[in-house]
Amino acid sequence: GENVEQHPSTLSVQEGDSAVIKCTYSDSASNYFPWYKQELGKRPQLIIDIRSNVGEKKDQRIAVTLNKTAKHFSLHITETQPEDSAVYFCAGINTGTASKLTFGTGTRLQVTL
Amino acid sequence: DADVTQTPRNRITKTGKRIMLECSQTKGHDRMYWYRQDPGLGLRLIYYSFDVKDINKGEISDGYSVSRQAQAKFSLSLESAIPNQTALYFCATSDWGGAETQYFGPGTRLLVL
Repeated sequence: GENVEQHPSTLSVQEGDSAVIKCTYSDSASNYFPWYKQELGKRPQLIIDIRSNVGEKKDQRIAVTLNKTAKHFSLHITETQPEDSAVYFCAGINTGTASKLTFGTGTRLQVTL
Repeated sequence: DADVTQTPRNRITKTGKRIMLECSQTKGHDRMYWYRQDPGLGLRLIYYSFDVKDINKGEISDGYSVSRQAQAKFSLSLESAIPNQTALYFCATSDWGGAETQYFGPGTRLLVL
C-alpha cells in the first residue's frame, strides 16, 4: 500500500517569511494529493489539492508542487501570517484502485510575530 | 463543517468499559471513515464504509468495531477500552468519485483511565 512521509514535524517561521512542507510517497500510481490544515482544537479541513497531471497549483498565498519522477510534493505558504499557525497534513491516493487516503504524520507550523 | 457531527465530544471512561462513539452526516455522502489522531502519528484509519452493507478494516482496527446503521450514521465501538486507546477520534465522509475530499467531524476526545 501507499506510504506517505512528511517533513519537518515542526516548523517555526517569522511572520512574513515563507514556509515549505515536504512529503514523499511510495506508490508511483498515486494520482491525487490533498493538503489539510488543522487549527488548534479544530477539525482538519482541505486547503488545496493537486492531481498528477499538473506540476503546480496556486491559491492566493498557498501553492503545491508535485514532482512525479521523484515522488514528492510540497506545500508552500508565502507571506505567512499568525493565522497560518496550525498542523498541516499531506495525503496521497491512487483514485483508480485504492479506496482510502494515506496521510502523512503532520507538520506543526508556528508563525511568530 | 456542521454537516458532520459527532457525539459525545468528550468522554472519560475506565479500563474495560464498552463505549460507543457516534457520527452522523447530512451531506448525503456514501463513504464514511473513522480515524484516530495521536501526537506525532497523524491520522490513522480505523475503519471505513462505502455503503450500508460495506465495512472495511483500516490500518489499526484491533480493539475496535463499527456499525453502519444507515447511510447517514456510522458508529465506532470500543468493546473493552484500554488506556492506549486514549486519543482524539474523528469521523469523516466523502462523496463517491475520484476526488476523495474528506469532510471531518469536530472530533471526540476520549480518555481511558
